[in-house]
Amino acid sequence: DADVTQTPRNRITKTGKRIMLECSQTKGHDRMYWYRQDPGLGLRLIYYSFDVKDINKGEISDGYSVSRQAQAKFSLSLESAIPNQTALYFCATSDFGEGAFFGQGTRLTVV
Amino acid sequence: QKEVEQNSGPLSVPEGAIASLNCTYSDRGSQSFFWYRQYSGKSPELIMSIYSNGDKEDGRFTAQLNKASQYVSLLIRDSQPSDSATYLCAVKGAGSYQLTFGKGTKLSVIP
Repeated sequence: DADVTQTPRNRITKTGKRIMLECSQTKGHDRMYWYRQDPGLGLRLIYYSFDVKDINKGEISDGYSVSRQAQAKFSLSLESAIPNQTALYFCATSDFGEGAFFGQGTRLTVV
Repeated sequence: QKEVEQNSGPLSVPEGAIASLNCTYSDRGSQSFFWYRQYSGKSPELIMSIYSNGDKEDGRFTAQLNKASQYVSLLIRDSQPSDSATYLCAVKGAGSYQLTFGKGTKLSVIP
């Protein structure tokens, strides 16, 4: 089983719908992240969390919200999806001083 | 604004040659440096970490760091077609938990 698991792996949704992407990890890391990846724009940080009580906005948090339900679980929500949120979304975890370890990704299409 | 710059490529090398991938960063206080490999449609995979000036070798991979020049590179010796992927440089600042990614260099190893 993967250390960082994302669900769903693929999702097509309609404009205006609410959608949640889920992430769970077994690495025991405190730090968890949500990134999106777009062609030509690279990986951009949406939100990050250092522990259950600590949530921080990244560079592109508008239109997104997150919930850290437990040390091992970090979910990303799009309250009202729009087409320009079509992207590849990655959850990642890290320990202090280390690089991040990524989940398999969720390909989200908003039509 | 912290920036990480990479040549987007594509960089084409023949099988068995040395591939040289380069990255520059703007934040002089950066402390941790990482290289990721990403196959098309897959998640980034951490392949090298480097924290101090000089070279670090791991199998066919060598990471090189020059903090004075704000430059980090990745050498891949005896390149194989399976090394064909996009390579992402990532940088973490002092006291920061955030990774800033470059947009990646696409490497193509020609058989």
